[in-house]
Amino acid sequence: EPEVTQTPSHQVTQMGQEVILHCVPISNHLYFYWYRQILGQKVEFLVSFYNNEISEKSEIFDDQFSVERPDGSNFTLKIRSTKLEDSAMYFCASSATGVNYGYTFGSGTRLTVV
Amino acid sequence: AQSVTQLGSHVSVSEGALVLLRCNYSSSVPPYLFWYVQYPNQGLQLLLKYTTGATLVKGINGFEAEFKKSETSFHLTKPSAHMSDAAEYFCAVIQTGANNLFFGTGTRLTVIP
Repeated sequence: EPEVTQTPSHQVTQMGQEVILHCVPISNHLYFYWYRQILGQKVEFLVSFYNNEISEKSEIFDDQFSVERPDGSNFTLKIRSTKLEDSAMYFCASSATGVNYGYTFGSGTRLTVV
Repeated sequence: AQSVTQLGSHVSVSEGALVLLRCNYSSSVPPYLFWYVQYPNQGLQLLLKYTTGATLVKGINGFEAEFKKSETSFHLTKPSAHMSDAAEYFCAVIQTGANNLFFGTGTRLTVIP
């Protein structure tokens, strides 16, 4: 069964450093998403991406965040200057048809900011 | 705005007992509803979804959920719990006019041998 692949599984970074989280969505999917889950809290939407541009973003997705699909297969989330409160599990997801029929999540990257 | 409420952050059942995980939603229009499961150290896996049509929805691993508009509920059930069902379960709804999911706070299911 096709999978969404996320690397690395765990990333530790110092406060103020830039970090890039990597995702390889399912190959024929057109819609891409990032969510995050702070430890012990619910899963929160960050951003959706379609047709090479951001289609929606939440209040969490401020100027410190950016997304890119650099080569047609990868989908990256960049945090420009990490803060302690950015520590969370970050999930990438993709869908062929948009959210209505659910989408496939990756196994996540645990980001720890120290 | 839509929201989902999951009653009970922790539920414990004995192996073989009925599993009932509660989810209520608030929405001004018929929503699309989802249940996701998260096993330890893994990502979110879609269990089942309600979009339109039959209100009783069957999913993977023997789970099912019933959309009850009058009760604004979408509770998840399984007749007989298995040890492998121990996980975190999230109810989710599509945000109105949006293309993203709004998740509940999750319910951790423990299965007691």
